[in-house]
Amino acid sequence: QSALTQPASVSGSPGQSITISCTGTSSDVGSYNLVSWYQQHPGKAPKLMIYEGSQRPSGVSNRFSGSKSGNTASLTISGLQAEDEADYYCCSYAGSGTWVFGGGTKLTVL
Amino acid sequence: QVQLVQSGAEEKKPGASVKVSCKASGYTFTDYAIHWVRQAPGQRLEWMGWINAGNGNTKYSQKFQGRVTITRDTSASTAYMELSSLTFEDTTMYYCARVGGNYGLDYWGQGTLVTVSS
Repeated sequence: QSALTQPASVSGSPGQSITISCTGTSSDVGSYNLVSWYQQHPGKAPKLMIYEGSQRPSGVSNRFSGSKSGNTASLTISGLQAEDEADYYCCSYAGSGTWVFGGGTKLTVL
Repeated sequence: QVQLVQSGAEEKKPGASVKVSCKASGYTFTDYAIHWVRQAPGQRLEWMGWINAGNGNTKYSQKFQGRVTITRDTSASTAYMELSSLTFEDTTMYYCARVGGNYGLDYWGQGTLVTVSS
């Protein structure tokens, strides 16, 4: 499977909102409501931020939200904070028991 | 609390195999699946495959089909990922992660660095 397409980088100032897109195909993102998003700080393991497209695990700030339209999923972070600076990855079920990650997006908080 | 603890760093020669373990604690091992994900330095996450810890069923990424084997030992609450015919391109961090009931990877191991060097 090909990786899902994410912008290489996004940036925003503290307090602003940013959105990271994750574009797949009708075989993965478009077919299933099983997109998850992960935050990864340097040298650390990824952390689940959103599952099933828009659901937040317990303990994740409500500043993080997810959505989907067609073959594109999105992660929005509102009220940007310095601690949000990290790499973000989307992941989608791709059918037949397989999964695919996005290329990752580096978020810089200016 | 849920924990996944992986085995330590490995150094292997090209053509060799490596087997990484992932010991689970804090939950019923057989109730959840375990995925394996790898990440080369500065690169993206790459899905390798997963195992249903309950029945042992597996599914692998086409990219690694034939080279990767994921197994589990329920008595030890441990999952294993073995990768054969190693090349320099397999020098990367390998993670195990638990699949929550919501299909998100909710707990991750600390990662195991595998270095392939002649």
